[in-house]
Amino acid sequence: QSVLTQPPSASGTPGQRVTISCSGSSSNIGSYNVHWYQHLPGTAPKLLIYTNDQRPSGVPDRFSGSKSGTSASLAISGLQSEDEADYYCAAWDDRLIGWVFGGGTKLTVL
Amino acid sequence: EVQLVESGGGLVQPGGSLRLSCVASGFTFSNDWMSWVRQAPGKGLEWVANIKQDGSEKNYVGSVKGRFTISRDNAKNSLYLQMNNLRAEDTAVYYCSSGSYCDYWGQGTLVTVSS
Repeated sequence: QSVLTQPPSASGTPGQRVTISCSGSSSNIGSYNVHWYQHLPGTAPKLLIYTNDQRPSGVPDRFSGSKSGTSASLAISGLQSEDEADYYCAAWDDRLIGWVFGGGTKLTVL
Repeated sequence: EVQLVESGGGLVQPGGSLRLSCVASGFTFSNDWMSWVRQAPGKGLEWVANIKQDGSEKNYVGSVKGRFTISRDNAKNSLYLQMNNLRAEDTAVYYCSSGSYCDYWGQGTLVTVSS
């Protein structure tokens, strides 16, 4: 079981808005920044959102992140077929003294 | 362009050892934290270890403490993971990642622990 909790799956139709949640505790999300990654099987994971709500250059503004208390969320608007991938949240945990990832959410574009 | 290229994976028997390497290019290697992250078959991402820019600080996930050692050679732009006493549950694709938030990732190298 992962320290950060994500729903195992999410889905939407092209053009829709989808949100993926990430729940943690005071030792991780409650005290540290959250980062999000997109991973297509067989490829290198890609940083999608860093420091809760910042987009690296090249990431479309359809992707946005937010954090409140011990939870965070990733929103994808204007869903596209190429967004079909696995999405992971991550944060530093000062009780475990290491990074912790969510279990991942498989996004399906119907 | 940032590039991270892992190597050293393969098939090893339980109790055996492997040394993974990651060669970096396209950025100032000595300025960045570096990490190893793995993904077991059918599972999610799991952070394994990270190392500070000068190697003075290292952190490990509990399941590998005492068995794995992370190191780096800034002169060679290289990151390493020495894995000893390997177990079946260490079977995974191992990714090298750079930056404070794992900004960039390599393509990974597969480690299979099986008799």
